[in-house]
Amino acid sequence: QSVLTQPPSVSAAPGQKVTISCSGSSSNIRKNYVSWYQHLPGTAPKLLIYENNKRPSGIPDRFSGSKSGTSATLGITGLQTGDEADYYCGAWDSSLSAVVFGGGTKLTVV
Amino acid sequence: QLQLQESGPGLVRPSETLSLTCAVSGGSISSSSYFWDWIRQPPGKGLEWIGTIYYSGNTYYNPSLKSRVTVSVDTSKNQFSLRLTSVTAADTAVYYCARRAGVPAAIDYWGQGTLVTVSS
Repeated sequence: QSVLTQPPSVSAAPGQKVTISCSGSSSNIRKNYVSWYQHLPGTAPKLLIYENNKRPSGIPDRFSGSKSGTSATLGITGLQTGDEADYYCGAWDSSLSAVVFGGGTKLTVV
Repeated sequence: QLQLQESGPGLVRPSETLSLTCAVSGGSISSSSYFWDWIRQPPGKGLEWIGTIYYSGNTYYNPSLKSRVTVSVDTSKNQFSLRLTSVTAADTAVYYCARRAGVPAAIDYWGQGTLVTVSS
């Protein structure tokens, strides 16, 4: 059971927009930054969003992040088949003194 | 460009100790800005954070693994290590080493990962 809660799967058509939610608590998401990662099978996870809504260099602006209270959201616009991957949210939990992840969301572009 | 590379046995017997090392290149592990993490992903499951170390030796661990985990750093070799004792089949996973830019910060660099199987 993950500390952060994500939907197991989402799907959308190419070119469309999708959002992935991440629900936590006052000790993690409310108090600390949220980050998002893209994980393709057999590769290392890639940082997509840090500090709730900032994109590292090289990440297209099709990817966006937001946070409100104890929840965060990853948005992906202009979906491409190459976006099919597992997506994870993560945050520091001040009560646990630990990094916590969501269970991951599998994105299917159909 | 920072690179991290995990190394260690791919097969560990049940009840024994899993030991992995992460070699850091393209940057100093002694930088005061960063923490160095271990994360794992069991087959078919999500990411699980194991623990982290600062170059000074300060550590934080996943409470569910804390009794079995030790993360250490060797600044002279620019590497850090993971020890997980009393392993079972549930510890079979791809193990990643990674860098984080501060305690509450995101993980910005990851190693490629190494599969460790616990089996007799």
